[in-house]
Amino acid sequence: DTGVSQDPRHKITKRGQNVTFRCDPISEHNRLYWYRQTLGQGPEFLTYFQNEAQLEKSRLLSDRFSAERPKGSFSTLEIQRTEQGDSAMYLCASSYIGNTIYFGEGSWLTVV
Amino acid sequence: GENVEQHPSTLSVQEGDSAVIKCTYSDSASNYFPWYKQELGKRPQLIIDIRSNVGEKKDQRIAVTLNKTAKHFSLHITETQPEDSAVYFCAASPPLTSGTYKYIFGTGTRLKVLA
Repeated sequence: DTGVSQDPRHKITKRGQNVTFRCDPISEHNRLYWYRQTLGQGPEFLTYFQNEAQLEKSRLLSDRFSAERPKGSFSTLEIQRTEQGDSAMYLCASSYIGNTIYFGEGSWLTVV
Repeated sequence: GENVEQHPSTLSVQEGDSAVIKCTYSDSASNYFPWYKQELGKRPQLIIDIRSNVGEKKDQRIAVTLNKTAKHFSLHITETQPEDSAVYFCAASPPLTSGTYKYIFGTGTRLKVLA
């Protein structure tokens, strides 16, 4: 399967701990996105990369959140000092030319 | 800011009937409108999309219509089947030339197809 892959799929962490999620986009896709989805809501945009450059960040992305895409391939999303409100599914997506984005299966985060 | 409203939030139909989900967007510059289907615990999957230079697009039992003047677009599913049961999300995206690539999603419609 050459789709977008995310790891880990599920993470339970204690409040205050740091967590990191990884996303591997579809291989030829140069654009990579992170979205957050809570129960009963649509995905909310967090940030976007074109190759290794982070070109756009949502105001939802507080200073506890940092995303990187060091070589323009995989990306990581780190959340520092997690809070219960961070509990959500973190979706990665990628695209090439054009608008259409393809989502990964998501990484579920539960902060207890 | 940009906003996409989606209605209804839940929809129950009998198998074989049609289902219609409607979305309204606020940013008149939006020119790409995808629809995603999401089953419980799964990724959103693109089922159909439409660009602003087209008024209607059809793919087998699924169709999407777009009214640019009114800034609304709709998903139509005909001859619904139990496997159509899922949450459906609409989204609006600005043109590629705008320099932003984020989708604005609606809040979703939970479709239940009753056998």
